Amino acid sequence: ETGVTQTPRHLVMGMTNKKSLKCEQHLGHNAMYWYKQSAKKPLELMFVYNFKEQTENNSVPSRFSPECPNSSHLFLHLHTLQPEDSALYLCASSRGTSGLSYEQYFGPGTRLTVT
Amino acid sequence: QKEVEQNSGPLSVPEGAIASLNCTYSDRGSQSFFWYRQYSGKSPELIMSIYSNGDKEDGRFTAQLNKASQYVSLLIRDSQPSDSATYLCAVNGGRNTGGFKTIFGAGTRLFVKA
Repeated sequence: ETGVTQTPRHLVMGMTNKKSLKCEQHLGHNAMYWYKQSAKKPLELMFVYNFKEQTENNSVPSRFSPECPNSSHLFLHLHTLQPEDSALYLCASSRGTSGLSYEQYFGPGTRLTVT
Repeated sequence: QKEVEQNSGPLSVPEGAIASLNCTYSDRGSQSFFWYRQYSGKSPELIMSIYSNGDKEDGRFTAQLNKASQYVSLLIRDSQPSDSATYLCAVNGGRNTGGFKTIFGAGTRLFVKA
């Protein structure tokens, strides 16, 4: 248990559905991240939030929409996804985004399948 | 050239041996270096971080950093079957990324034979 929780753990959705992934961290961290992990590929950074402000959008398609209402909660809103978006979506948090505070702690992930 | 490069493996070692995992990175300005362990079907777990040249030891794990050669490694002593996992190298703080982005390697699969 890392102190980062994600719900749901598994999600199957059709291409026309709208769903949201939720992440919550109980570590008192200020930065939160969304990553995508596809089979046989490295972890891909999607979004970074530091003190609720988005500091990184790694050229992610607009069908993925992040929301960070406070430093403890992070959402990823999904709509009109494609089958190639099926992957493990990981949330992580860290104390900050500079120097020694970069150590990231990951949640258990949401396994997303788009049909 | 990949930004963070690792041999995908699998690296197979007998129980009790030393496992040596290697990683090279391309951004010479990188400042922070991490090793994560990921069991199949699970999320990555931070096991070591290193910020300055040399060795850093934590239990059976030793991280080694050589910034001049842009090389970071992880040694696992007295390898156990429970160490069988994919090990991810991550690099952060490079000039090319403005310091906000952590780049992960694709990982090396380690298999420890009992």
